Amino acid sequence: QQQVKQSPQSLIVQKGGISIINCAYENTAFDYFPWYQQFPGKGPALLIAIRPDVSEKKEGRFTISFNKSAKQFSLHIMDSQPGDSATYFCAASETGTASKLTFGTGTRLQVTL
Amino acid sequence: DGGITQSPKYLFRKEGQNVTLSCEQNLNHDAMYWYRQDPGQGLRLIYYSQIVNDFQKGDIAEGYSVSREKKESFPLTVTSAQKNPTAFYLCASSPGRRLAKNIQYFGAGTRLSVL
Repeated sequence: QQQVKQSPQSLIVQKGGISIINCAYENTAFDYFPWYQQFPGKGPALLIAIRPDVSEKKEGRFTISFNKSAKQFSLHIMDSQPGDSATYFCAASETGTASKLTFGTGTRLQVTL
Repeated sequence: DGGITQSPKYLFRKEGQNVTLSCEQNLNHDAMYWYRQDPGQGLRLIYYSQIVNDFQKGDIAEGYSVSREKKESFPLTVTSAQKNPTAFYLCASSPGRRLAKNIQYFGAGTRLSVL
């Protein structure tokens, strides 16, 4: 039972391009949507997060777009750099559930020169 | 140097053996979590604890056990009942009921392999 579906599984983008990763959820009670970045052999680190009262949040080159009616949210990485090469996970949680996160299956991003 | 420390970084388990993975945090966080990461499957929740001396099963608790005797520590035991233990194990903590309660901070992980 996968409550958060993430695509694509892998992504190759040229340096300077835009990387886009999409996630869709089923549970309408979810009210917190973070994105995590993970480098090989390391634990995930919080990148950016959004709550459903806004449709977009931007932090530097990273932007989350949120569509509540479609139950979808996406991560956009502008001006992608080789240092952005990592695995990205979307996640979702519901208030009152002990902050439990439900994760997507991950997207491996490779930014080429 | 605040954060979450997992040890060991690599661990090998023999057939029929129980092994314990350590997780310590000095962030004064109330909640702690254990995840298992397998290629292509994301992170799956094994156990979580919101307060000392209390913990709940996650989605894949079978073959695992935990304890939470101290706020700073949340060790995970992979028992011999877990027939496919090879994976990357991640520990996380969260402030819990206070502000930013949903944010989870992760350790660097323990990679467990079967001999």
